[in-house]
Amino acid sequence: QVQLVESGGGVVQPGRSLRLSCAASGFTFSGYGMHWVRQAPGKGLEWVAVIWYDASNKYYTDSVKGRFTISRDNSKNTLYLQMNSLTAEDTAVYYCARASSRGYSYGDYWGQGTLVTVSS
Amino acid sequence: DIQMTQSPSSLSASVGDRVTITCRASQGITNYLAWYHQKPGKAPELLIYAASTLQSGVPSRFSGSGSGTHFTLTISSLQPEDVGTYYCQKYNRALITFGGGTKVEI
Repeated sequence: QVQLVESGGGVVQPGRSLRLSCAASGFTFSGYGMHWVRQAPGKGLEWVAVIWYDASNKYYTDSVKGRFTISRDNSKNTLYLQMNSLTAEDTAVYYCARASSRGYSYGDYWGQGTLVTVSS
Repeated sequence: DIQMTQSPSSLSASVGDRVTITCRASQGITNYLAWYHQKPGKAPELLIYAASTLQSGVPSRFSGSGSGTHFTLTISSLQPEDVGTYYCQKYNRALITFGGGTKVEI
């Protein structure tokens, strides 16, 4: 069965960096686009970034452009989110989700999330 | 950017009630619309995609309709396990947007 497991969250000081990982199993990872979606405490869902199945295209929400980088290693079945220059507004649970196609699309499977807290 | 507006933001209904949630797009998105259900403390789960196609395994009491800018999610007979927050999402372009959510209580 499809499984997505996020890791790498934690408490980090403002201005510092953090890298999230999402380990995928149960499907052909290299055949699907992948998303990162976040949810601040008590708030709604916010789409963060998407990467094509072959990493040929990447898109970001405006608030993270230039600070976050989405990447993937298809040989390791792993998705990443490199987060730099973190601020308190980046505090959220970060979910990875499988796109239903090779590029962007709706998320048909989701991980359980990893919490990132930006605080001094 | 296309904005997605859900209404109501919250509702309370009884078991067995018919519940309808609305999602409006600020521009036409044909049928590139998905609905998710998020139970408290859990990850979102896909209910419907392409505005009206039920995801495999989702109970038939859920249905979606609409196209263009106006979409609805209907629960024909509300069950206790349906509590939580429902989100619409547009995916007609790579810049994906969620609605603000509708919290459903019993």
